[in-house]
Amino acid sequence: AQTVTQSQPEMSVQEAETVTLSCTYDTSESDYYLFWYKQPPSRQMILVIRQEAYKQQNATENRFSVNFQKAAKSFSLKISDSQLGDAAMYFCAYRGRGGETSGSRLTFGEGTQLTVNP
Amino acid sequence: EPEVTQTPSHQVTQMGQEVILRCVPISNHLYFYWYRQILGQKVEFLVSFYNNEISEKSEIFDDQFSVERPDGSNFTLKIRSTKLEDSAMYFCASSERGLGGYTFGSGTRLTVV
Repeated sequence: AQTVTQSQPEMSVQEAETVTLSCTYDTSESDYYLFWYKQPPSRQMILVIRQEAYKQQNATENRFSVNFQKAAKSFSLKISDSQLGDAAMYFCAYRGRGGETSGSRLTFGEGTQLTVNP
Repeated sequence: EPEVTQTPSHQVTQMGQEVILRCVPISNHLYFYWYRQILGQKVEFLVSFYNNEISEKSEIFDDQFSVERPDGSNFTLKIRSTKLEDSAMYFCASSERGLGGYTFGSGTRLTVV
């Protein structure tokens, strides 16, 4: 079974600075998807960024980027120019390729609570 | 931007009662999911649903749980006889295809007293 591990329960960053959240995963599959979700106090799950394992290029979405190391099974999230609105719980998640008729599940890590200090 | 809609946002029920959580997935999506998150814990998969049947379920999804797509727009999760430990945030999600990412609803907070 796949597992996702986030070893940092809490992180903090100064406004306008850069922070990196760590995630490692374990899988025997060669093709899969990785995601970072943001959960603010409202508890809604918001997709931040996604990475397809077959793509070597790291995904980027504005101030958010990932460092995907497939061999090391590592998938870290970098937030540049941190803003107060970035404060939230961040979850790393894995999804296997599954099949067209299965819609494979997401496996989540334990989460990292990010605090942004003004 | 299309949204997944969940109702109610918060439900309080007595232990032993049946509850139905409702979801309206994005209209052109074909795959539907329920997840739950007990306060302070990780998000856990419950069930996936495709072509009017369950395609996968977790060990959490026992006989107390059932899902249904009663019409062309709603997707429901029923808990037959709620227990205290069923108190959690329940998220519905949908995806257009079986692969890639999907969209979560804003959740229903279930409190069992």
